[in-house]
Formats: sequence, C-alpha cells, structure tokens
Amino acid sequence: GQSLEQPSEVTAVEGAIVQINCTYQTSGFYGLSWYQQHDGGAPTFLSYNALDGLEETGRFSSFLSRSDSYGYLLLQELQMKDSASYFCAVRDVANAGKSTFGDGTTLTVKP
Amino acid sequence: NAGVMQNPRHLVRRRGQEARLRCSPMKGHSHVYWYRQLPEEGLKFMVYLQKENIIDESGMPKERFSAEFPKEGPSILRIQQVVRGDSAAYFCASSQLMGQRSYEQYFGPGTRLTVT
Repeated sequence: GQSLEQPSEVTAVEGAIVQINCTYQTSGFYGLSWYQQHDGGAPTFLSYNALDGLEETGRFSSFLSRSDSYGYLLLQELQMKDSASYFCAVRDVANAGKSTFGDGTTLTVKP
Repeated sequence: NAGVMQNPRHLVRRRGQEARLRCSPMKGHSHVYWYRQLPEEGLKFMVYLQKENIIDESGMPKERFSAEFPKEGPSILRIQQVVRGDSAAYFCASSQLMGQRSYEQYFGPGTRLTVT
C-alpha cells in the first residue's frame, strides 16, 4: 500500500519562506503532486514532480528526491492568503489514475 | 469552460435514508474520482471511474456504498442506509486520460453530507 507523512501544522510570518516536507512509501511511483485547500473548499493543484529536482512556479517551488522517497513544497514571500492546508499526493500509475493523499499540513501565516 | 460541478452542496439525511451525490466532470475529462474528507483530515480515495466502467474501487466500503458513471449524465455516488459516521465532505475530481496534464486532478466544491 501507500503511506505519506507530512507535518500537521506549520506557522510562519508574512514575507518569510516556509518548507513543507513529505515522505512517502509506495509500491509504485510515478509522481508527487501538491494541492492547496482553503477552509475545506475545493483542493487546487499546485505542482507535480515526476523527476528528481526542483520545479518552480512563481512563489511556489516543489522538490523531489526519488531515491530518498522525499519531497517538499517551498513557499516564498509568504502572504496572508497562503494560510491554508497543503497536501502531498502520490501517483502510483502512469497517465490517469488515483492519487493517495497525505493528511495535510495546516499553514498559518501571521502578520 | 465550466469546472467540476457537484450537487447538492449540502445534504442532510436521517439515519437509514439514502444519499445520492452527483458529479459532472470538466468538459473533455473522461475520468472521475471520488474522495471523502473528515474534518481536519486528508482526502481518502474511494473510487475511480471512467464512462460505464469502474477502474479502481479499492477505497469503497464493501457495503452500502456504490458509484457509477453512465454513458450519459453525471457520476453518482450512492450511500444507502446512511449512518452518522458517513457525515463528511465528499469531493469529486476529474482528469484527462493521457498527455502532459493527466496527473492534474480538478476538484469540485464538494458535497457536505450530514447524517442526523
């Protein structure tokens, strides 16, 4: 089966940088995704890593190390609106297919 | 291009009744996923469907729960004889089959089910 671990809560101040880690154990691996969810609303896709290395999308970056079964989401220049839950998710099949989600990290950004 | 649509947004059922949740995927998407989320918890996979076909139902409880995605119309998640433990948010997501963005799932707003 699959299991993912990420911290339950992270707190940071506006303008800072925060890193949310995710470690996983899977029977197969095709990629690691990150999703953001505000106040129980619809999760929205942030990034995807299939290969080792860093993917940058604006203020958000995501990193993957397949040999370490580890990834992280890096949020820079934090804004109050970044306060949300962040989920890592693993795909274990190519193309379309289910993702297994972690339990989420609640990020609180303080002024 | 409309996003993933779910209805109803809120559903209240008494114990023993049936709950029927609907999901219309994004235009051009042929794959639908259902997830359940309890308060303060993550998204738990339930079932993955294509049109007229269940691909993976490994997350579905063996009893009372069923899902379908007919050739015409929305995907339906049906919960029979609901119990209080079924109270949760149920999210539907859709994706493309193949291509660069096949890994990206688009989520609907969810249906909040409350069993009284």
